[in-house]
Amino acid sequence: NAGVMQNPRHLVRRRGQEARLRCSPMKGHSHVYWYRQLPEEGLKFMVYLQKENIIDESGMPKERFSAEFPKEGPSILRIQQVVRGDSAAYFCASSPNRGSHSYEQYFGPGTRLTVT
Amino acid sequence: GDSVTQMEGPVTLSEEAFLTINCTYTATGYPSLFWYVQYPGEGLQLLLKATKADDKGSNKGFEATYRKETTSFHLEKGSVQVSDSAVYFCALSDDAGGTSYGKLTFGQGTILTVHP
Repeated sequence: NAGVMQNPRHLVRRRGQEARLRCSPMKGHSHVYWYRQLPEEGLKFMVYLQKENIIDESGMPKERFSAEFPKEGPSILRIQQVVRGDSAAYFCASSPNRGSHSYEQYFGPGTRLTVT
Repeated sequence: GDSVTQMEGPVTLSEEAFLTINCTYTATGYPSLFWYVQYPGEGLQLLLKATKADDKGSNKGFEATYRKETTSFHLEKGSVQVSDSAVYFCALSDDAGGTSYGKLTFGQGTILTVHP
């Protein structure tokens, strides 16, 4: 059973460009979480999605960031007009169960975004 | 809001030494508690978890006990190995009356280096 897949693993963008980060959850998982890890910091929750629905986006910056999890295909985290402060590692995690506080989340290897 | 505080690192030990990494938390509901480990260049892996007070999570020689009275979940290992060198994150997932959807709140991480 393949784990959570993220691509690309490394992404370099110039200021003002768009970044698209992809996450394929584990087989059978329909719940996806995105987290951001800034340098020297812990991970911070961004958004929680189920298929075709955004359930909780309380951690998402209000502008330039969006996320989707379509019926078919991977979940996408999209950052428009990137700035240097967006440079971070972005991790996706999936869970097999309806979002619950007692269930494990399985993490992907992350996408390391560098904005030049 | 919810928060997790870990002892500041980095922590450097010799092989076979005893390890303690302190973790305390604040939460509004009845959280589940987790320790995740991150090896260089990789995503997070669940190390152990506890879902209610006085539970002890254990895995690979690591242990942590959910102490509600002290709001703590300290990680311990009796004899560390070089292969344990990694970043360790304490995290909680709060039930918050059923509205938190399982999102994780992380501590800032503790870098552990074990020398031969």
